[in-house]
Formats: sequence, C-alpha cells, structure tokens
Amino acid sequence: SQQGEEDPQALSIQEGENATMNCSYKTSINNLQWYRQNSGRGLVHLILIRSNEREKHSGRLRVTLDTSKKSSSLLITASRAADTASYFCATAISGNTPLVFGKGTRLSVIA
Amino acid sequence: DGGITQSPKYLFRKEGQNVTLSCEQNLNHDAMYWYRQDPGQGLRLIYYSQIVNDFQKGDIAEGYSVSREKKESFPLTVTSAQKNPTAFYLCASSIRSQGAVGNSPLHFGNGTRLTVT
Repeated sequence: SQQGEEDPQALSIQEGENATMNCSYKTSINNLQWYRQNSGRGLVHLILIRSNEREKHSGRLRVTLDTSKKSSSLLITASRAADTASYFCATAISGNTPLVFGKGTRLSVIA
Repeated sequence: DGGITQSPKYLFRKEGQNVTLSCEQNLNHDAMYWYRQDPGQGLRLIYYSQIVNDFQKGDIAEGYSVSREKKESFPLTVTSAQKNPTAFYLCASSIRSQGAVGNSPLHFGNGTRLTVT
C-alpha cells in the first residue's frame, strides 16, 4: 500500500536555485520522514517531523507539515550538484507500524 | 564504524532456485526490515522483525521467507515461488523508540541487486 505520493516525479534545476518537493498522504499519521537515495545506494534519513510539528530545519533543508491538507514539503536551498538524488517521503500511521514510502522525486541539479 | 552490511552487492540466479540475501547490523537495533525496490518505484515492505525470534509480514511477503535468530542478523530468502524476483533489495534497521517501530528513523544498507534469469 502506497501511502505517500511525491510531486513532481522529476525536477531539474540549476545549481544555486532552490528545490521544492511535495508529499501528499491519505490517512492520519504519527510522523513523516524524508529520505535521500543516491543512484544504486541505500536510503539516508534526512528529517523526521511529528504530527504535532509544523516545520523543521536541518542545514539547507526545511520541511513543513500541514496535517489539515495531509501534505508535507521538502525545500533544499542553494542547491548543489551533489544534491542530485531521489528523495522519498515515508509515513508512519502509528508508532507501531513500519514506514510506508512514496515513489520519490528524482532531483537533478545541473552545475 | 556502526552500520548495516548487505552482501553480496550483485547476485545472479537461475529461475527456480532459492537464494538468500544477507543483512548484518552492528548498531544494536532491535528492529530490522526488508524492502524491495523496482525501477522508478518506491520501497515496498516484505518482512520486518521487532525482536529476535519474531517477525511480521509486510505488504508483499508472498514468495519470501526470513529468520531472526540473532539480533544482528536478518537474512531474506527469495524462494522459487516469488513470481518476479528480479529487483533491488534493501535491508534497514531502527531502534524501537517508546517500544514502537514507527517512531524512529531507518538506517539502510547499500542493497543487493538480484537478477533472476
């Protein structure tokens, strides 16, 4: 069952620009997490945001969560070529259920 | 360095053969997971284990089997009953924050790419 759905599926930007990816989900959640995957590698955790939080920051990353709209966004500011990767959102419906991942957004940052 | 090791990185098998993928972690995590990833797709959960000697089916468990005899190891067997086994398999682990699996980030290995011909 695919809970989260990222938008857009693919995004291509110039180095230095900001990149925004969105995630929509269907049911109420306990928390939402964002992950990054470089080609052919495992996923790396970026940020976890709980259902009672609205915004979190980590370095150049900013995540927002709107539970009324069942959506989240990931903003990468001042993007670099090294940010080129796929980005996935994952949701936990409850604390006792494993994460369910979306299909991801493929980000290409052109130098 | 603590982490998750998946081996081998590439695996080739003939149709009809069972194959076992290895996953070892030295993070002292209670929970371990197996996900399958197909090209351009997200991750789909195969099996997960919250404690030793216990595991639960995920969304696509048919044709797969697992064991959890040790905390640090969670091998996945792809059996001949799996209709379309060629895929990228990812193992992950996490702590059980507040006794639950969904509250914590996952730590992933670098995957095993299985090709069955």
